Amino acid sequence: GAGVSQSPSNKVTEKGKDVELRCDPISGHTALYWYRQSLGQGLEFLIYFQGNSAPDKSGLPSDRFSAERTGGSVSTLTIQRTQQEDSAVYLCASSLRQQGNGYTFGSGTRLTVV
Amino acid sequence: QQQVKQSPQSLIVQKGGISIINCAYENTAFDYFPWYQQFPGKGPALLIAIRPDVSEKKEGRFTISFNKSAKQFSLHIMDSQPGDSATYFCAASEGSNYQLIWGAGTKLIIKP
Repeated sequence: GAGVSQSPSNKVTEKGKDVELRCDPISGHTALYWYRQSLGQGLEFLIYFQGNSAPDKSGLPSDRFSAERTGGSVSTLTIQRTQQEDSAVYLCASSLRQQGNGYTFGSGTRLTVV
Repeated sequence: QQQVKQSPQSLIVQKGGISIINCAYENTAFDYFPWYQQFPGKGPALLIAIRPDVSEKKEGRFTISFNKSAKQFSLHIMDSQPGDSATYFCAASEGSNYQLIWGAGTKLIIKP
């Protein structure tokens, strides 16, 4: 598609449940990033995929968080045993691994854990 | 050394005024400096970017000023309009590492 697509746009889940958030990057973009943004806050880096290389998972806050990227395209961020502090907007971005092209962000998934 | 420090955290400007947001960095290997604009409910979008071989880049009402010796760069919004009200993020990246290092963001409000 023309942009980065994220689904669902909103997710309300009960504490302790698992959730999966999906990101469809721009076709041909080899780099994919996940960020978390709490209300009124900045961008917290979570994970970075680049082509077939091992992902940079250095930003994942705990082992309850994991992500995969299948076939170098669609990515899924999974949060297990959700906690209230996981409530935030989860943003996905993709880019050509080429400086100057910038990141294209999706509109995010707003996750609310009740 | 990888940090990008952004200020102010929030800014209120009258319509028609000049909005100025500043960023500072330590890593002298940074060579790409973009600014992103984020409206509520949307992801950030690339607004304007500069490389260190120029001291200024202008696109419409938006200008980046770059001071290599001071390791600072700033975004100037001329004739600020209510539609410019958004959160602005500066960022930087280094050479072949295209991963952006982000500032903390500035919430800009333009008062009519």
